[in-house]
Amino acid sequence: DTEVTQTPKHLVMGMTNKKSLKCEQHMGHRAMYWYKQKAKKPPELMFVYSYEKLSINESVPSRFSPECPNSSLLNLHLHALQPEDSALYLCASSRLPGLTSYEQYFGPGTRLTVT
Amino acid sequence: AQSVTQLGSHVSVSEGALVLLRCNYSSSVPPYLFWYVQYPNQGLQLLLKYTSAATLVKGINGFEAEFKKSETSFHLTKPSAHMSDAAEYFCAVSDQGAQKLVFGQGTRLTINP
Repeated sequence: DTEVTQTPKHLVMGMTNKKSLKCEQHMGHRAMYWYKQKAKKPPELMFVYSYEKLSINESVPSRFSPECPNSSLLNLHLHALQPEDSALYLCASSRLPGLTSYEQYFGPGTRLTVT
Repeated sequence: AQSVTQLGSHVSVSEGALVLLRCNYSSSVPPYLFWYVQYPNQGLQLLLKYTSAATLVKGINGFEAEFKKSETSFHLTKPSAHMSDAAEYFCAVSDQGAQKLVFGQGTRLTINP
């Protein structure tokens, strides 16, 4: 099974709302990622978790708060977002790189609209 | 620093024609290279990867890519295009041991009937 699942598929939220995006994988991967993708652009890395610990934060605003409760789950908590945060949010997972690098498996994404 | 350049933001071919999507990379160390495809309103799906085992890499859906170190290229090809190949294609590079993928800007492939 090479599936990464994400919920919800679509989300509309106001600028004062608090919401969460969820991601799950059962491939035994110990690296998990959040990306943001704007229309007609490549994905932009936001966060990386390795062994459930935050290893990379690409200077993402604090209104985005990631969480990795266990090795299979990854959350992205959203608070006080701006309209320009509207985008497709992609989750991915991979084996932890060491002497080699491994492909990342992507979920279908959550289409977020901030009103 | 690593970088990826995809030549041509939009490629259009006729059904049954050869598909050629170009990717050039820049990396200070032997790279790991990937091609991903993204269909509308979906996530990215891995087509194929180069990890130094063989220079000609075969992937899913009839795609293949050839790693050419002298040209720093990793172009994606398919002998005969199908309508279902219409999508956005991303080339990406990663250094050994790195967790970051550096993506190209993407190439939108259109198939004409």
